[in-house]
Amino acid sequence: DTGVSQDPRHKITKRGQNVTFRCDPISEHNRLYWYRQTLGQGPEFLTYFQNEAQLEKSRLLSDRFSAERPKGSFSTLEIQRTEQGDSAMYLCASSLGRPEAFFGQGTRLTVV
Amino acid sequence: GEDVEQSLFLSVREGDSSVINCTYTDSSSTYLYWYKQEPGAGLQLLTYIFSNMDMKQDQRLTVLLNKKDKHLSLRIADTQTGDSAIYFCAEKDTGFQKLVFGTGTRLLVSP
Repeated sequence: DTGVSQDPRHKITKRGQNVTFRCDPISEHNRLYWYRQTLGQGPEFLTYFQNEAQLEKSRLLSDRFSAERPKGSFSTLEIQRTEQGDSAMYLCASSLGRPEAFFGQGTRLTVV
Repeated sequence: GEDVEQSLFLSVREGDSSVINCTYTDSSSTYLYWYKQEPGAGLQLLTYIFSNMDMKQDQRLTVLLNKKDKHLSLRIADTQTGDSAIYFCAEKDTGFQKLVFGTGTRLLVSP
């Protein structure tokens, strides 16, 4: 068990392009979370999956953002028509329905 | 709404104890957490406490919870230079899965 894995670790994209990030949770963890962290701030919740069902979404998740977890294992987060304000660290976490949630190393997005 | 506040910065000398403080507003919090983040890295779960507990100790870490004042603290005994990082307090509300994080406290440990 290597923990929560995120890919890519870094992404630089031009404004207006679409980007997709992947998260592989800890094996058998049925709960998966996406957070966004901007410089100097704590992580902010974006969305939560239990198995393949997306059960919670933040108002931060505008219509340009979409997340999926098609088979209840890995998840993808897509941002369409990126803006400079989307530059942040995107963090994925997983848990097994217990209080502990374990985070990945994050994907740092820079929109230029 | 939910709000979690932390002081921004703490500086200690190696071998001293560090105490990082956090206040939260949500009286429905069920669990409170401490995470550690090193530069450019994700968050490492240090410890958590259930809201009906007053204290939890785990090796060098002691968590104190004052539910009446909505105050949480993390004490690190015998602080080492490797403890230098940003420490985040977070709370989890009843019925929701999301964690609400504070802005983090940067701990600097000098030799």
